[in-house]
Amino acid sequence: GENVEQHPSTLSVQEGDSAVIKCTYSDSASNYFPWYKQELGKRPQLIIDIRSNVGEKKDQRIAVTLNKTAKHFSLHITETQPEDSAVYFCAASIGYGGSQGNLIFGKGTKLSVKP
Amino acid sequence: DTAVSQTPKYLVTQMGNDKSIKCEQNLGHDTMYWYKQDSKKFLKIMFSYNNKELIINETVPNRFSPKSPDKAHLNLHINSLELGDSAVYFCASSQAGGGGQPQHFGDGTRLSIL
Repeated sequence: GENVEQHPSTLSVQEGDSAVIKCTYSDSASNYFPWYKQELGKRPQLIIDIRSNVGEKKDQRIAVTLNKTAKHFSLHITETQPEDSAVYFCAASIGYGGSQGNLIFGKGTKLSVKP
Repeated sequence: DTAVSQTPKYLVTQMGNDKSIKCEQNLGHDTMYWYKQDSKKFLKIMFSYNNKELIINETVPNRFSPKSPDKAHLNLHINSLELGDSAVYFCASSQAGGGGQPQHFGDGTRLSIL
């Protein structure tokens, strides 16, 4: 089955710096890659997603890149702010068979933005 | 309006008991899911369900059973609760149509087994 690896597990940056979180996946048939932000005690919230027919997507300070050949995708946050502090999860969606749609999550990255 | 709502928010109970968690979505989605988030914050799919098919993650004990009275509801029943069941359980929903649909999560139910 699909396996998603996420690095780093913790990341500390100064306010205004950029943050990059990387994920790799194992199943070449996966075709949907969302990123979720989870604040302490809250639900995971979708912040950006990318499909396998696109190499890059940007939404204000957040961007995601996908390399299908290498089977890895990354989240880039520019001009970080203290409110960006949270746990970020990458995920891959199995695109075929009975389990299509199920998200397989990475283990999360705890991002701390220091003022 | 809350898109995906779960009740209760907190559930404290003793080992061996049977409990249920309810989930409702008002997004008109066709597929609903249950995820378990353990103490290390790892999110893992337990079930996915649309009005046609239930997909069970093979690692989920059969003490856990989802029940869907209609496509807007997917409740989770847990029998003979064990200490290892302590976790936060999240319900989610998405449009049907296979992989590639954004999933919307509920606020979670924190289950604590004494």
